[in-house]
Amino acid sequence: KAGVTQTPRYLIKTRGQQVTLSCSPISGHRSVSWYQQTPGQGLQFLFEYFSETQRNKGNFPGRFSGRQFSNSRSEMNVSTLELGDSALYLCASSFLTSGGARGETQYFGPGTRLLVL
Amino acid sequence: DAKTTQPPSMDCAEGRAANLPCNHSTISGNEYVYWYRQIHSQGPQYIIHGLKNNETNEMASLIITEDRKSSTLILPHATLRDTAVYYCIVRVRRTGNQFYFGTGTSLTVIP
Repeated sequence: KAGVTQTPRYLIKTRGQQVTLSCSPISGHRSVSWYQQTPGQGLQFLFEYFSETQRNKGNFPGRFSGRQFSNSRSEMNVSTLELGDSALYLCASSFLTSGGARGETQYFGPGTRLLVL
Repeated sequence: DAKTTQPPSMDCAEGRAANLPCNHSTISGNEYVYWYRQIHSQGPQYIIHGLKNNETNEMASLIITEDRKSSTLILPHATLRDTAVYYCIVRVRRTGNQFYFGTGTSLTVIP
């Protein structure tokens, strides 16, 4: 079974621009979560989507948004980019149908490395 | 909101067992302990998880104390490829399916 895929893998933008990152979960997985990883803050939760609905959101400004499509693929968008948005953005998927720890295990993609100049 | 405490770094000789400790003294009865590792600049890799019984898979063993306040991840025969940052996570179920990652333990396997 193919793993979580993220595109693009690398991206360079300038301040003020906006960016869209894409994530394709493992086949059959319905939950997609996004994380931001920076050297200073570590891995931080952005938001989680399940069945096209945002179920949880981390403590990030409204410039960070996301959505999930009916095929469970997800996108996240960052508007008005700032230098501090330079980070590795990670997507994770999980099965999450009947609950239980096995279904909740998250499987991560390779990430998209965003550099804001 | 990470609810775990891990040593920042550890070394282990190649071929020896690596024992990575984690404290989670505020864990609730139905919260699982998960372990992930992250090799430089890659996405975190799932290793193992458990509730109260010891668990073993092809990658590692997880030993959870009887009071569930701490656990140990054991890599039985460490190789150079096991050099990574290891994260111990207690998933807070009431707040959804997000994982709170702490700072982890940077394990260096020495030849």
